[in-house]
Amino acid sequence: EAQVTQNPRYLITVTGKKLTVTCSQNMNHEYMSWYRQDPGLGLRQIYYSMNVEVTDKGDVPEGYKVSRKEKRNFPLILESPSPNQTSLYFCASSLRQGLHNSPLHFGNGTRLTVT
Amino acid sequence: AQTVTQSQPEMSVQEAETVTLSCTYDTSESDYYLFWYKQPPSRQMILVIRQEAYKQQNATENRFSVNFQKAAKSFSLKISDSQLGDAAMYFCAYEPVNNAGNMLTFGGGTRLMVKP
Repeated sequence: EAQVTQNPRYLITVTGKKLTVTCSQNMNHEYMSWYRQDPGLGLRQIYYSMNVEVTDKGDVPEGYKVSRKEKRNFPLILESPSPNQTSLYFCASSLRQGLHNSPLHFGNGTRLTVT
Repeated sequence: AQTVTQSQPEMSVQEAETVTLSCTYDTSESDYYLFWYKQPPSRQMILVIRQEAYKQQNATENRFSVNFQKAAKSFSLKISDSQLGDAAMYFCAYEPVNNAGNMLTFGGGTRLMVKP
């Protein structure tokens, strides 16, 4: 089954404790991205990647890191989480540039709480 | 920068009736794409419908249709014959033609409740 798999589904951590949210897609998609969803703000892009070893900032990159060592994986790293990073996170992928022709496939989200 | 605004944080509709969700956007581009996504309690993001700005004809997908008013920068979603399964968060989203980051700009969402 074609899918984007992100883990964990829920995560509770404390301020300053490094964490990684994993994301993997099995569709050989070139583009991958991370979004965060907050009430009243919708989803905002954190980082994106056009291909292996190519990543760039989205709208809200502060406090996050990503890597794309393999085409299928795109982990999101919070080196020193803070309470304002409490949010619902989505990984997404698409085959190519142009979402009107190459729709986004979303993972099922990770609910992160930082205390 | 483009912005997308959904002015109705919550809406409710009686089962089998029709409801319209509003969305406005701001852009200086003449060509772009607009989308509506559905997010049920499962958190899955489901593409409902999309519209190309250069097309005057409003998009339709079964019970879902849009009213696209380019001059007014308005893109509302009409759900006909509402069903219990339509209860969800609905997000309006914008994509520019030149989209290097493959990014969608989302509105803040509208929570739709369907009453039996």
